[in-house]
Amino acid sequence: GNSVTQMEGPVTLSEEAFLTINCTYTATGYPSLFWYVQYPGEGLQLLLKATKADDKGSNKGFEATYRKETTSFHLEKGSVQVSDSAVYFCALASKTSYDKVIFGPGTSLSVIP
Amino acid sequence: DTGVSQNPRHKITKRGQNVTFRCDPISEHNRLYWYRQTLGQGPEFLTYFQNEAQLEKSRLLSDRFSAERPKGSFSTLEIQRTEQGDSAMYLCASSLPDRGYEQYFGPGTRLTVT
Repeated sequence: GNSVTQMEGPVTLSEEAFLTINCTYTATGYPSLFWYVQYPGEGLQLLLKATKADDKGSNKGFEATYRKETTSFHLEKGSVQVSDSAVYFCALASKTSYDKVIFGPGTSLSVIP
Repeated sequence: DTGVSQNPRHKITKRGQNVTFRCDPISEHNRLYWYRQTLGQGPEFLTYFQNEAQLEKSRLLSDRFSAERPKGSFSTLEIQRTEQGDSAMYLCASSLPDRGYEQYFGPGTRLTVT
């Protein structure tokens, strides 16, 4: 079945450091890929998405490129801020499964000043 | 604010009691999803509605769980005879029919079973 694997946390970075959170997926067909973010005490928010191979999703300085050949969707940001501290979930949705979202386990990021 | 709303936000109940949660999706969204999130894990799919029809149920949804969406608008999720293992955050999401991949999540209902 469809599944998502992402790097384990927690990840701790200094402010302005470069961020990469790795994500790989297994899916039949051509899923859409997402990164969701959950800030402390808040609900899930869609951070960015990509719906086909080689698409690049971007938002708030975060980027991720849909790599079909490596079945990956790694999240990157060039310079993290303290306000980026949150849990990040890689996810996929497939039209063969009514678009229900399959989430990875989440990666907790802490950015220290 | 016209986002997805869920009530109550928190529910504490004793083992064996029944609980019911409500989700109000974004008004023009005809797809509605329920997910469950336990501490330190990603959300897991429970069930999905298109209008009033329940089209898919996860095997996570035991016989004690039932979900309805009687008029294709709001939805309820009921848990009967709650168990401590039911303690989790219950999330609702909605989407447009042609953009099912773009789901908007509510704030969730946190259930604690004592």
